[in-house]
Amino acid sequence: GAVVSQHPSRVICKSGTSVKIECRSLDFQATTMFWYRQFPKQSLMLMATSNEGSKATYEQGVEKDKFLINHASLTLSTLTVTSAHPEDSSFYICSARGRTGRIDSYEQYFGPGTRLTVT
Amino acid sequence: QKEVEQNSGPLSVPEGAIASLNCTYSDRGSQSFFWYRQYSGKSPELIMFIYSNGDKEDGRFTAQLNKASQYVSLLIRDSQPSDSATYLCAVLNFGNEKLTFGTGTRLTIIP
Repeated sequence: GAVVSQHPSRVICKSGTSVKIECRSLDFQATTMFWYRQFPKQSLMLMATSNEGSKATYEQGVEKDKFLINHASLTLSTLTVTSAHPEDSSFYICSARGRTGRIDSYEQYFGPGTRLTVT
Repeated sequence: QKEVEQNSGPLSVPEGAIASLNCTYSDRGSQSFFWYRQYSGKSPELIMFIYSNGDKEDGRFTAQLNKASQYVSLLIRDSQPSDSATYLCAVLNFGNEKLTFGTGTRLTIIP
């Protein structure tokens, strides 16, 4: 099956600092990667969609200057939380999708998530 | 009205019984439907997807789709304690290629 990794799995940072989270597709080329955020006892909320080599598309209400996304290659996307604040503490999950032309290629495979705590 | 609705539960089912999880969606343009399982503190893992009306079986899991009623369900046969998790229904609209998730149903299998 498709494997997606995320690094780090857990990070604690001080308010005002920046944190970078990496998302990698290990055994397939991800034409599209998605970044989600999940607060406790809530569902996943899509933050942005990124396609390799182009700018990310952000969902309404998500600050693109605060959450910088770079999809530099078909296997790597990064999310940088700039000037993090305690309210940014959350579970950040990436997912990746490869495009094979088949209808089931719309499956998204999730990374293990990164738990960010901002103190 | 939420785009994807699920009963939050908790749903308790005896071990060995059939667990039935339901999901309704509001966008008639939705074309593909996914069930994910999420253990506490972990990310979702894909169980199965369905895009045609009717039933689709995979092992102990059966997804059912009724587009006319905008309803999708997941049946888990011979429930095991390891099936205890939150089950997320997700709906894909090919137009914007985004998955919209329900809030999930928390399932507990009672030994």
